Amino acid sequence: DIVLTQSPATLSLSPGQRAALSCRASQSVDDYLAWYQQKPGQSPRLLIYDASKRAAGIPARFSGSGSGTDFTLTISSLEPEDFAVYYCQQRFQWPPLTFGGGTKVEIK
Amino acid sequence: QVQLVQSGAEVKKPGASVKVSCKASGYSFVNYYIHWVRQAPGQGLEWMGVINPNGGTSNGALKFLGRVTMTRDTSTSTVYMELSSVGSEDTAVYYCARDLYGLGSYTFFDYWGQGTLVTVSS
Repeated sequence: DIVLTQSPATLSLSPGQRAALSCRASQSVDDYLAWYQQKPGQSPRLLIYDASKRAAGIPARFSGSGSGTDFTLTISSLEPEDFAVYYCQQRFQWPPLTFGGGTKVEIK
Repeated sequence: QVQLVQSGAEVKKPGASVKVSCKASGYSFVNYYIHWVRQAPGQGLEWMGVINPNGGTSNGALKFLGRVTMTRDTSTSTVYMELSSVGSEDTAVYYCARDLYGLGSYTFFDYWGQGTLVTVSS
């Protein structure tokens, strides 16, 4: 199975700051990687797919980059509603489709 | 608009089976894979398997081999996930989710159900 390792586990930032979240794959996943946002008590929401494509309705402050084994989700300027947990997911090799362990972005 | 509406919370005793439903609306049901993903309390996301509503074939994670059965009813646009021989480690929120690209390959999840909490307790 492809293992996705996310770092850091927790990111403490203030509104308006830039956030950079990392996802590293145990082997190349080409650009077959997505990012999701999950708020407490809610279902995950697709933000980015195929490493850099924004899903429908996702604000431009969210961007994805990377290919192969190293990926980054960047939030250019944090809004209050962006404080949440973020997961990466690969579709390069299945079954199983796999997720990273998550990064919590919290208010500093 | 696309919606996936799941059945309500369940409480099961160890060794029992649980069946969760997911009713789709707002799109062509047979043209998109439906996946099942679970999340244990305070934990991350775990992919369980996928069903093709057009034909009913399914594929799942080896971890659940022999314990998970996925079915669908095209007349009601509903998919079902049944998990047998449950234990405390199966306590989780179970989500259904639609495949972004439809059919052809398993990809990402663009619409999610609201989740169904399954609690296993004696």
